[in-house]
Amino acid sequence: GESVGLHLPTLSVQEGDNSIINCAYSNSASDYFIWYKQESGKGPQFIIDIRSNMDKRQGQRVTVLLNKTVKHLSLQIAATQPGDSAVYFCAETGEYGGSQGNLIFGKGTKLSVKP
Amino acid sequence: DAGITQSPRHKVTETGTPVTLRCHQTENHRYMYWYRQDPGHGLRLIHYSYGVKDTDKGEVSDGYSVSRSKTEDFLLTLESATSSQTSVYFCAISHTNYGYTFGSGTRLTVV
Repeated sequence: GESVGLHLPTLSVQEGDNSIINCAYSNSASDYFIWYKQESGKGPQFIIDIRSNMDKRQGQRVTVLLNKTVKHLSLQIAATQPGDSAVYFCAETGEYGGSQGNLIFGKGTKLSVKP
Repeated sequence: DAGITQSPRHKVTETGTPVTLRCHQTENHRYMYWYRQDPGHGLRLIHYSYGVKDTDKGEVSDGYSVSRSKTEDFLLTLESATSSQTSVYFCAISHTNYGYTFGSGTRLTVV
């Protein structure tokens, strides 16, 4: 499988429990944030996004919380299932070369769900 | 992934040889991106394109070039592959400059 899981912080949870994955972002000017899920051997997959004018956004079994004061983002997964096992990345809009919009990714957290 | 295809999926090449990776989309999206993914570094932007013949450098562009002669194809070329370019390469597309869709990746090994 992919070696992306090496050297990553790991969160291990029991099936059915809630999971919270945290992310600190770097750019106080970032105005858009996304959470991605990456399963072994696959590309990152969009989970949920949030704009900086919001503090919270809910999807199906997932909630993203944004705290702009401390530049912190979290992903909450309710009733975690074995299929949720993956590496989770947060991403923020960054400015690169003067061009807004390119996503800057965190290094990821590996979620392991125990049956 | 629907609408975006990367080729090849796997490649082994020798140091010093040129290599071209292809990203093909059927979504007619304006924005296309090349990222590399390495342990301990996450996803890092190599180059991106905001239209036909319009490209720009990302964070780790040294040793890479890109071309986009038509909307649907974005090519990444390693002019002379080095072992440090062994990585998994992902292409992404976006209708605006937010919210990417990623391809399945190309695993490149330079020996």
